[in-house]
Amino acid sequence: SQQGEEDPQALSIQEGENATMNCSYKTSINNLQWYRQNSGRGLVHLILIRSNEREKHSGRLRVTLDTSKKSSSLLITASRAADTASYFCATGRTGGFKTIFGAGTRLFVKA
Amino acid sequence: GAVVSQHPSRVICKSGTSVKIECRSLDFQATTMFWYRQFPKQSLMLMATSNEGSKATYEQGVEKDKFLINHASLTLSTLTVTSAHPEDSSFYICSARASFPGGSSTNEKLFFGSGTQLSVL
Repeated sequence: SQQGEEDPQALSIQEGENATMNCSYKTSINNLQWYRQNSGRGLVHLILIRSNEREKHSGRLRVTLDTSKKSSSLLITASRAADTASYFCATGRTGGFKTIFGAGTRLFVKA
Repeated sequence: GAVVSQHPSRVICKSGTSVKIECRSLDFQATTMFWYRQFPKQSLMLMATSNEGSKATYEQGVEKDKFLINHASLTLSTLTVTSAHPEDSSFYICSARASFPGGSSTNEKLFFGSGTQLSVL
């Protein structure tokens, strides 16, 4: 079964605005990762945050992790039309080896 | 960065035929590869974990005789959909977890192939 649940399921914003996506998970994790998928393509790794980290930045991306609430957020600042894609969170479980993906958020950035 | 090549990108076949999908790690050794299935606008569902030189571990509900996985080398894993039927039509994606000599034993990041769209008529 899926581990992570993202919300919103779909998000439509104007270019230049910020986009925030949230992910909740159920079990203890070793790390949480965010991936991006363009339509009909494979996934591209964006950022990984470990369970002992609270915030991480990479370019226009900011990820937070709250292990007490079992949730994470992905913020994309100054969005561009090229950011239009589906975004998935994925968790690596403590003591496990599999990475389980959430349902994803479909982001549409209007030019 | 590490590259995973997946072929074919698209295949259309008749019901009852078998289809083989290849997943290759081009510039790194992939001791573990994962096979996922994805329906339109849905998430990736893990089908099986493929370990080099050993039998694949299938997720609950995935028929191992239907979806044959072979991981014969450190750079190649194949998924064969046997006796395909229309309900097997889906987007199949592989991913690989890298194993770098002398590196961390916990290589959590996954590198994905570009996916294979299978359509069974």
